[in-house]
Amino acid sequence: NAGVTQTPKFQVLKTGQSMTLQCAQDMNHEYMSWYRQDPGMGLRLIHYSVGAGITDQGEVPNGYNVSRSTTEDFPLRLLSAAPSQTSVYFCASSITGGPADNYGYTFGSGTRLTVV
Amino acid sequence: AQKITQTQPGMFVQEKEAVTLDCTYDTSDQSYGLFWYKQPSSGEMIFLIYQGSYDEQNATEGRYSLNFQKARKSANLVISASQLGDSAMYFCAMKGGGSNYKLTFGKGTLLTVNP
Repeated sequence: NAGVTQTPKFQVLKTGQSMTLQCAQDMNHEYMSWYRQDPGMGLRLIHYSVGAGITDQGEVPNGYNVSRSTTEDFPLRLLSAAPSQTSVYFCASSITGGPADNYGYTFGSGTRLTVV
Repeated sequence: AQKITQTQPGMFVQEKEAVTLDCTYDTSDQSYGLFWYKQPSSGEMIFLIYQGSYDEQNATEGRYSLNFQKARKSANLVISASQLGDSAMYFCAMKGGGSNYKLTFGKGTLLTVNP
């Protein structure tokens, strides 16, 4: 089925370890983004991309890196995990358009990350 | 920068009654879009309803309607005839404010439907 695929679904890391959260979409969406969800904070934007080779920072980018070498993939890298990065991470994609255009966002199923 | 405010951390409603979840937004732009998402305990994000800033009619999708008051900058979600399966976290989100694609979310409202 078409959609956004996130892997892994669950991960436990030790402080200081690195890892990559994978996000892939097969809908040819130009826009891809990463959010983190923490209790009482809603979803906050980490990084986003509007096409291959183009990335930019969101609201909470510190401690995370991204790259976009293909339209389909948008991995999120944690270089040195910290307990403050314990969260649920969502990848979302969309086609781009005007701000008032109803182009829906497709969300992945999320990755629950625990840093101990 | 745009901001979404959901002032109700939690709401309770009796089954079969209607409930309104509040959302106010802050933007100086004329062109923007407003979304509501549902997140059940299983964790997935489910799109419910959309309202564009230029839409003159309030959006409706089945039991969901969006009470859009542009001058007040509010976009409240109304759920009619609540069902037990409506128990979930609900997020209001906005696209716009200088960006054609970034979504900004509120902190959410946890709705509990009582039998």
